[in-house]
Amino acid sequence: GENVEQHPSTLSVQEGDSAVIKCTYSDSASNYFPWYKQELGKRPQLIIDIRSNVGEKKDQRIAVTLNKTAKHFSLHITETQPEDSAVYFCAAPTGSARQLTFGSGTQLTVLP
Amino acid sequence: DTAVSQTPKYLVTQMGNDKSIKCEQNLGHDTMYWYKQDSKKFLKIMFSYNNKELIINETVPNRFSPKSPDKAHLNLHINSLELGDSAVYFCASSPQADTQYFGPGTRLTVL
Repeated sequence: GENVEQHPSTLSVQEGDSAVIKCTYSDSASNYFPWYKQELGKRPQLIIDIRSNVGEKKDQRIAVTLNKTAKHFSLHITETQPEDSAVYFCAAPTGSARQLTFGSGTQLTVLP
Repeated sequence: DTAVSQTPKYLVTQMGNDKSIKCEQNLGHDTMYWYKQDSKKFLKIMFSYNNKELIINETVPNRFSPKSPDKAHLNLHINSLELGDSAVYFCASSPQADTQYFGPGTRLTVL
């Protein structure tokens, strides 16, 4: 079936450094790519998304890039802060019902 | 003014019991979902429900059954609970088949 692969599974960075998380997808019909942040014990929350008609989107310290030809998209966090520590999930709609398929998650730890 | 709410937040029960988790959304969304998040944090969709159309993930055992009394509610019934059912269950809703808003989760522990 269609899937979404996410790398790395864990990522540790020093406070102030940048973090990059990458996802690849296989369904060429996917046209919407959200990123969710899940803090410990909390619900996943949408932090940024991108649609297939653009290649990049920024919102303050976070940005998402999309390469439709290569079928991959990435989350970039600059000037990381300890409160950025969380699990991050990418997702893409797959299958005939266009349901979101989530990546396996990346545990980001920002070291003070 | 909670957007997506679930009850209960925690559920501890014995193997073999039947339990239900309730979900409500006040966003006016047409589509609602149930997800299971296991101990490794994988988020797997179980069901989606849109205008009385139920889409089932075929890997979900038929002990799990969603019930939607109206567009704002999607409850999850689980029969004959097993140890492997222990997980966090998230309800979510969306206006279309993309942006989803999650509930706070229900942590189910089967003893």
